[in-house]
Amino acid sequence: ELKVEQNPLFLSMQEGKNYTIYCNYSTTSDRLYWYRQDPGKSLESLFVLLSNGAVKQEGRLMASLDTKARLSTLHITAAVHDLSATYFCAVENANYGGSQGNLIFGKGTKLSVKP
Amino acid sequence: KAGVTQTPRYLIKTRGQQVTLSCSPISGHRSVSWYQQTPGQGLQFLFEYFSETQRNKGNFPGRFSGRQFSNSRSEMNVSTLELGDSALYLCASSARGGRQYFGAGTRLSVL
Repeated sequence: ELKVEQNPLFLSMQEGKNYTIYCNYSTTSDRLYWYRQDPGKSLESLFVLLSNGAVKQEGRLMASLDTKARLSTLHITAAVHDLSATYFCAVENANYGGSQGNLIFGKGTKLSVKP
Repeated sequence: KAGVTQTPRYLIKTRGQQVTLSCSPISGHRSVSWYQQTPGQGLQFLFEYFSETQRNKGNFPGRFSGRQFSNSRSEMNVSTLELGDSALYLCASSARGGRQYFGAGTRLSVL
């Protein structure tokens, strides 16, 4: 069974601190996506990681991909309250010929940044 | 450029009824995927359409169906609604080889 596992599922942080969210996956997909979801809202695309060793950064968020370990990380630097949201990682389901339209999502990490 | 548009945003139905949800993709995007999001099961893939053909289907019963029109707009239908079908239904569109962009979703409540 294809699985995408995130940890932690819940994360409470103080403003200004750093932390990392981990995403392990069991499929052989080489594409990994990170999305953000605010309460009651849709999914906002953050990063697409396309190859082993890929690193992408946007503001206080940095994502990386290790396809050999089947691991991606989302690192948060100097957290601020505005980063409070649920973060999902997702991979393409390789059993469907690598179609980008079929993603397997992790359960999400609910991040709460407190002053 | 307009984003992915889903209608309606909210829907309340009773058990046994059927429902149709609509999704208009970003202009130029030919792939449309549907996902169901619930607190218990998280985000689950329903199906994907490309050029009016269903390319992939997730592990959902036959009560869930969909179609795509020549203008890439897509609809999904759920017949004989059950309480467990209450969820946020998300549609996403993508260009060939590109990332998926999600709509705001349709929140379905089944009473």
